[in-house]
Amino acid sequence: GDSVTQMEGPVTLSEEAFLTINCTYTATGYPSLFWYVQYPGEGLQLLLKATKADDKGSNKGFEATYRKETTSFHLEKGSVQVSDSAVYFCALPYNFNKFYFGSGTKLNVKP
Amino acid sequence: EAQVTQNPRYLITVTGKKLTVTCSQNMNHEYMSWYRQDPGLGLRQIYYSMNVEVTDKGDVPEGYKVSRKEKRNFPLILESPSPNQTSLYFCASSGSAYEKLFFGSGTQLSVL
Repeated sequence: GDSVTQMEGPVTLSEEAFLTINCTYTATGYPSLFWYVQYPGEGLQLLLKATKADDKGSNKGFEATYRKETTSFHLEKGSVQVSDSAVYFCALPYNFNKFYFGSGTKLNVKP
Repeated sequence: EAQVTQNPRYLITVTGKKLTVTCSQNMNHEYMSWYRQDPGLGLRQIYYSMNVEVTDKGDVPEGYKVSRKEKRNFPLILESPSPNQTSLYFCASSGSAYEKLFFGSGTQLSVL
């Protein structure tokens, strides 16, 4: 069945470092793919999405490219800030309003 | 402001004492759902609703009930809570299938 697999955390980086959080998916068909972010004490909010193969989603300096050949949707940012410290979730929708979420990757950015 | 409102934010209760977590959205969304978040497991869907009076089980529905009598409200009911239901709960809504979810701020439930 459909699923997403996300790299385990936590990930600890220094400010201005390059970030990659890996996400791979298994899906029948070609669903949209999403990254959500959860800041401490808050609910999840959409960070970016891509609707079809080779699409690139971007927001707040984060990017992710929907790659069909490697079934991946890795999240990247060229220069992280302390304010990026949060938990990041990869997500795959299926069956109308049901989503599979990855297990979440906690990012800690140190000044 | 578009939002999903959950209450309460924190709840401590004892085994077997019925409780309700409320969820309301002001965006006229058709789709609403409940998730629980547990360490290492990500978010798992409990129940979802595609419209008024239309609900269906998610991946972990055991021990939970929901109702959707009005479009804006989707309460989660635990009729006889048990300690394994201690978790962080999120309500979410969306305006169409397969699209962006709007989440509430969460309810941290502890069942002693």
